[in-house]
Amino acid sequence: NAGVTQTPKFQVLKTGQSMTLQCAQDMNHEYMSWYRQDPGMGLRLIHYSVGAGITDQGEVPNGYNVSRSTTEDFPLRLLSAAPSQTSVYFCASRFHWAGELFFGEGSRLTVL
Amino acid sequence: SQQGEEDPQALSIQEGENATMNCSYKTSINNLQWYRQNSGRGLVHLILIRSNEREKHSGRLRVTLDTSKKSSSLLITASRAADTASYFCATGGNNDMRFGAGTRLTVKP
Repeated sequence: NAGVTQTPKFQVLKTGQSMTLQCAQDMNHEYMSWYRQDPGMGLRLIHYSVGAGITDQGEVPNGYNVSRSTTEDFPLRLLSAAPSQTSVYFCASRFHWAGELFFGEGSRLTVL
Repeated sequence: SQQGEEDPQALSIQEGENATMNCSYKTSINNLQWYRQNSGRGLVHLILIRSNEREKHSGRLRVTLDTSKKSSSLLITASRAADTASYFCATGGNNDMRFGAGTRLTVKP
């Protein structure tokens, strides 16, 4: 099994550009989430989804959009990138709302 | 705001020594989990302890949970250089999971 796959692994954007970070899982997990990791801040929850068609905001949702049209995919959209969104982004999924999270390898985003 | 807070922020020990990391949290939880992150990689789940459990073991890992103090500890016994990584506690609510800032463990050979 591939587990949780994130693309791209690295991306450089200019301020104001838009892009989508892709996340796919092949474990039939209902729950998926996006985190950002900044030095000294740990992981902060951006958005999460408890199933297809259902999304909700986490701790730091501003500037990000998500959708969940299928169980497998949970893309994260930056509509107008800002330097403050420079970070490493992690997608994670789990089978049960109280179970362990499986993480992707991360997407490193730099906004100039 | 983040739910869990790890202590210490950084820990440096010699190979063979034990490493203890602590986690405090603020609200009621269903479970508490510990994760490990090697530099530049995604997080990997280590162990989960439920709110009605007080202690759990997995190999060289021992986790305790004190819900009255809203705290947990992770003990790694007989540490190895390969244990060098960042360790995070995470607390689970109904639908989301919040992480602390982590403890950076360095095990010197």
